[in-house]
Amino acid sequence: NAGVTQTPKFQVLKTGQSMTLQCAQDMNHEYMSWYRQDPGMGLRLIHYSVGAGITDQGEVPNGYNVSRSTTEDFPLRLLSAAPSQTSVYFCASSYGGQGVSYEQYFGPGTRLTVT
Amino acid sequence: GQQVMQIPQYQHVQEGEDFTTYCNSSTTLSNIQWYKQRPGGHPVFLIQLVKSGEVKKQKRLTFQFGEAKKNSSLHITATQTTDVGTYFCAGPNAGKSTFGDGTTLTVKP
Repeated sequence: NAGVTQTPKFQVLKTGQSMTLQCAQDMNHEYMSWYRQDPGMGLRLIHYSVGAGITDQGEVPNGYNVSRSTTEDFPLRLLSAAPSQTSVYFCASSYGGQGVSYEQYFGPGTRLTVT
Repeated sequence: GQQVMQIPQYQHVQEGEDFTTYCNSSTTLSNIQWYKQRPGGHPVFLIQLVKSGEVKKQKRLTFQFGEAKKNSSLHITATQTTDVGTYFCAGPNAGKSTFGDGTTLTVKP
């Protein structure tokens, strides 16, 4: 199993550009999430999904869109990049179940710089 | 919304000294998870605690979940240089997890 994969590993954008960060998992996990991590800080939840066709906002959703058309893929779209979106982005997945939590598996991250 | 706080933010120790990080939640947690992130890496799951007052050990690491299920701690005995990194606690909730800001541990050989 490849686990959780993310592309690209690095990206530089100009202010106002749009792009999509890709995330895929091959573990048949129901739950998938996007986090951003700023220097010296923790992980802040952007959007998450509890299954194909179901997404919801996290703590810092503004400026980002997601969709979940398949179990495997959970892309994150930046609509109009701003310097405040310079960060490291992690995608994570886990099994899901009512009242039960499972460990999250994280991808290697995408380091995004917006100039 | 739920807030999860960790202290200290940074800890510098001499190799062989002990280390403890504390995690406090603003709400009662159904369970708590701990992750480790090496410098330049991604978070990796360490353990999950579920029961009130639970204590679990992994070699030199001891994890505790408070009786009220609102706080937790991670204690490392006799730190080694391989322990360097940032340790995060997280409160999972039906696919939506809240992470603490982490405690970054540096170990001087």
